[in-house]
Amino acid sequence: EAGVTQFPSHSVIEKGQTVTLRCDPISGHDNLYWYRRVMGKEIKFLLHFVKESKQDESGMPNNRFLAERTGGTYSTLKVQPAELEDSGVYFCASSQERGRAEAFFGQGTRLTVV
Amino acid sequence: AQSVTQLGSHVSVSEGALVLLRCNYSSSVPPYLFWYVQYPNQGLQLLLKYTSAATLVKGINGFEAEFKKSETSFHLTKPSAHMSDAAEYFCAVSDRGSSNTGKLIFGQGTTLQVKP
Repeated sequence: EAGVTQFPSHSVIEKGQTVTLRCDPISGHDNLYWYRRVMGKEIKFLLHFVKESKQDESGMPNNRFLAERTGGTYSTLKVQPAELEDSGVYFCASSQERGRAEAFFGQGTRLTVV
Repeated sequence: AQSVTQLGSHVSVSEGALVLLRCNYSSSVPPYLFWYVQYPNQGLQLLLKYTSAATLVKGINGFEAEFKKSETSFHLTKPSAHMSDAAEYFCAVSDRGSSNTGKLIFGQGTTLQVKP
């Protein structure tokens, strides 16, 4: 069974450009989460999907970030326009159920804004 | 609000020595607790989790952790370190309440170095 897959693994863009990160969760996992780790800081929650619906987007930094999950399958996280402080590693995770169930993480996308 | 504190951003041990990585949490009710590990160039992998069964939890690769409610701690241990244990370790909590969404609150991470 394939794990959580994230594309691209690395992205370097200039300030003001747009970047779209993609996450393919484990098949059958209704719950999908996005997290971000800024250098030197802890991993922080961004948002949570249940199927195609956003359940909790309390961690989204600002309206330059837009997440979607088409048809409850893969998810995209778009940053437009990117700023220097958006640099970091973006992780996606999926789980079958919330709470006690294990969340499976992707390898992350390292975003560098220059 | 929940929070997690990992004492020591870097821990160095000799191969064969005891590994002890500290984690304390703050929560109004005992949460679900997790330890994840990140090896270089890989994603986070679950080591073990506490979800209200036995307070001593055994995980993969010889790691274990003990939930101590009175100390609000969930320290990770391994009797004998291997070179392959060198990685970054994250303690995390998840709310077990009715509003639980499964989102994880992470500590700052502890990088474990294992010296030959």
